[in-house]
Order: sequence, then C-alpha cells, then structure tokens
Amino acid sequence: DIQMTQSPSSLSASVGDRVTITCRASQDISNYLAWYQQKPGRVPKLLIYGASTLQSGVPSRFSGSESGTDFTLTISSLQPEDVATYYCQKYNSAPWTFGQGTKVEIK
Amino acid sequence: EVYLVESGGGLVRPGESLRLSCAASGFKFSGYSMSWVRQAPGKGLQWVASISTSSSYIYYADSVKGRFTVSRYNAKSSLYLQMDGLRPDDTATYYCVRAEDNYGAEYFQHWGQGTLVTVSS
Repeated sequence: DIQMTQSPSSLSASVGDRVTITCRASQDISNYLAWYQQKPGRVPKLLIYGASTLQSGVPSRFSGSESGTDFTLTISSLQPEDVATYYCQKYNSAPWTFGQGTKVEIK
Repeated sequence: EVYLVESGGGLVRPGESLRLSCAASGFKFSGYSMSWVRQAPGKGLQWVASISTSSSYIYYADSVKGRFTVSRYNAKSSLYLQMDGLRPDDTATYYCVRAEDNYGAEYFQHWGQGTLVTVSS
C-alpha cells in the first residue's frame, strides 16, 4: 500500500506568517491528493482536492501544490481561526490513506 | 444542503457487535459512493470502508476486513456499518462520509457529525 508521510507533526507560528505543510507519497498518486482541516472538537472539512483545487468557500490564503510525489499545503498569512490539525489524503485508489496530521498553533 | 446523520454508537464489550447507521438527505443518495472514516480519541483520521453507488464495489481497511461489513439501502438513503468482533482499538468516533468524483477517483467532501463507539470491558 502507498504510504503518506506528513510533516511536520506540529508547528507554531505567528499571525500573518506563511505556513507550509508537506505530504509525501511513497508512490505516484498523480494529483489525487486532498487536504482536510479539523478544528478542535469539530468535524473534518475539505480544503483542497486535486492537489491544488480550492474547495468552494475556502479562503484564498490556502493553496496547494505538487511536485512529483511531494505535496504542499500553504497558508499564506496565518489567521487565528486557522488553528487546527491538517491532514492530507490520497484518493487515487483504495486504501484511502491519510497522513498523520499536522497540528497548527499560534505562537 | 447535504445532511449525514450517524447513529448506533455506544459502549460495548470486546467481542460484541454493533451496527452503525447513517441517514442521508439533501442529495440523491443513490448517485454517490459512501464511506466510513474513524478517529480514535486524540488520534488521526483512519479510513474504514467504502461502498459504490450500487454496492458493486466494496473496500475495507486491513484492520477491519473480515470483521466489519458496509452496506447501503438506496431506497431509504441509508448507509450501514455492521461491526462484529469489536476490539478495544476499534474505539473511535465513526464518521459517515459522502464521496465526490474527481476524474474517476473520489475524495471525501461531506462529513457527518460522527457517532462514538467505545469498546471496553
């Protein structure tokens, strides 16, 4: 099975900072990569699919990119409401594997 | 608006069974693949099972294969997860999820609020 390695596991940044989270697939998954945001005590929410397509209603400060089997979620200017855990997920085929998650906090 | 409402969670002893249900509304249920995703307390997300629109294709995570059975009843817009031989490491919140097709592959667009399953003696 394809493994999804997400890093870092946690980070702390200041409001307004640029934040980058990386997810690496162990094999080619094309661009079948989604990012989800889960705020404390809340249900996961889809942010990005197709590696870089922003889900409707998601703020434009969120963006996704890919380079081969490496995928990146970027928050261009961190806001207090972005405190959450972020997960990547491959969806090219079963199993639909999630990354381990990255917890984002405000410094 | 899409609504997914899970039910059936609770406290059970190891080895016992539980059946989760998910009532869907706000969309044509028969037109979408559905999945179950779980999250153990304080842990990350883990995909559990997926079922295609007409139940022709069914997939399970290795950790539940042979113990869990996913099914759907399109006429009632309902998704089910029969969980047998429950173990303490099955303790988690179970989410019902509606998939969205993206060039033949499916990501998880809509999530229910989840139902908590606790397996403990």
